[in-house]
Amino acid sequence: SQELEQSPQSLIVQEGKNLTINCTSSKTLYGLYWYKQKYGEGLIFLMMLQKGGEEKSHEKITAKLDEKKQQSSLHITASQPSHAGIYLCGVGNAGNMLTFGGGTRLMVKP
Amino acid sequence: NAGVMQNPRHLVRRRGQEARLRCSPMKGHSHVYWYRQLPEEGLKFMVYLQKENIIDESGMPKERFSAEFPKEGPSILRIQQVVRGDSAAYFCASSLVGQNTEAFFGQGTRLTVV
Repeated sequence: SQELEQSPQSLIVQEGKNLTINCTSSKTLYGLYWYKQKYGEGLIFLMMLQKGGEEKSHEKITAKLDEKKQQSSLHITASQPSHAGIYLCGVGNAGNMLTFGGGTRLMVKP
Repeated sequence: NAGVMQNPRHLVRRRGQEARLRCSPMKGHSHVYWYRQLPEEGLKFMVYLQKENIIDESGMPKERFSAEFPKEGPSILRIQQVVRGDSAAYFCASSLVGQNTEAFFGQGTRLTVV
């Protein structure tokens, strides 16, 4: 089965700083999902990347898929306290049954 | 268009009781997925249902757990004879089609077994 490892596991940054979260797969990545979970709440869909080299942006968040490295990265520019939460990457197994990484806990200090 | 609705948000059960968790998918979505998030652990897939059918239950414990998605009404995750280890957040997600599309998650049901 495919496993996803996220790094770092936790991250504390000063407001306004940029940051990057990585998601590395044990197998070839044919597509990848990024979600955000606010503490104690459900998951919010951020982006879906479907092919190697694809890059998508939403507001100040950019995600890229490097299929050769079996890796995806999520980059936040000029972080804000509203970006705080747990970021999860996931891959679909035979569809939308998702396997998730362990998550990256982000705190943004004002 | 309301999102995925789960209820109750919080559920407390004594050991040995039954827990019933409900999930109403987004309007028009016929694919439902249940996940469990144990304390300090990641989110794990449990079961995938399409109207009236269980498509994949490979992540579901073999005993005491069952799920259904009837033709009418919400999807139900049922846990019989709950034990302390069942305490977790249970999330439901729905999607329009079965693959290569985003799945939308509910707010979850936090089950506490006392």
